[in-house]
Amino acid sequence: EVQLVESGGGLVQPGGSLRLSCAASGFTFSSYWMSWVRQAPGKGLEWVANIKQDGSEKYYVDSVKGRFTISRDNAKNSLYLQMNSLRAEDTAVYYCASERSGYISYWGQGTLVTVSS
Amino acid sequence: QSVLTQPPSVSGAPGQRVTISCTGSSSNIGAGYDVHWYQQLPGTAPKLLIYGNSNRPSGVPDRFSGSKSGTSASLAITGLQAEDEADYYCQSYDSSLSGLYVFGTGTKVTVL
Repeated sequence: EVQLVESGGGLVQPGGSLRLSCAASGFTFSSYWMSWVRQAPGKGLEWVANIKQDGSEKYYVDSVKGRFTISRDNAKNSLYLQMNSLRAEDTAVYYCASERSGYISYWGQGTLVTVSS
Repeated sequence: QSVLTQPPSVSGAPGQRVTISCTGSSSNIGAGYDVHWYQQLPGTAPKLLIYGNSNRPSGVPDRFSGSKSGTSASLAITGLQAEDEADYYCQSYDSSLSGLYVFGTGTKVTVL
């Protein structure tokens, strides 16, 4: 059974940093692109970033470029999102997700990030 | 800043058929990129419902079907059931935007 378990969310002040982690199991993690998708409270889904199987390619939505960094450790079956210079508008549930051919095949349960003073 | 537009809500009685539209442009759906659909039940993570315009993953009932034409796509639910009450999102790739993937604005399906 595929499992994606996020951790690292919480309350952080504007301008602060947070690192999200995602532990993957039940599939060959190193064979798939991985993504982070977020959902602000009461709002729709927004794709944030993704990373190629070997980490050699990374893409970001404009609003997080230069502030967020996606990375992975295939030896640990883990995905990460380093978030710096956080803003109130980054407040959201962040989902770890595995990709197949341009779509999200599996989603984690999400971790809430709240940016507030 | 979703570039895929969906109706905010649709509703239907049990057993009825409802459709959800997803309207894009020449840089996403109209460019030939596939459309995928997700179902998000209240308080839960999204789940893949349709991939590659019209394909259902294993375990998804055949009451759900997808289609694509021109710059739009549609999700149809036939034989509407109470457990279908959820938010539904379309998703595609966009060649012009700041990011690779774009989601629709989302549609709340209410079973009357």
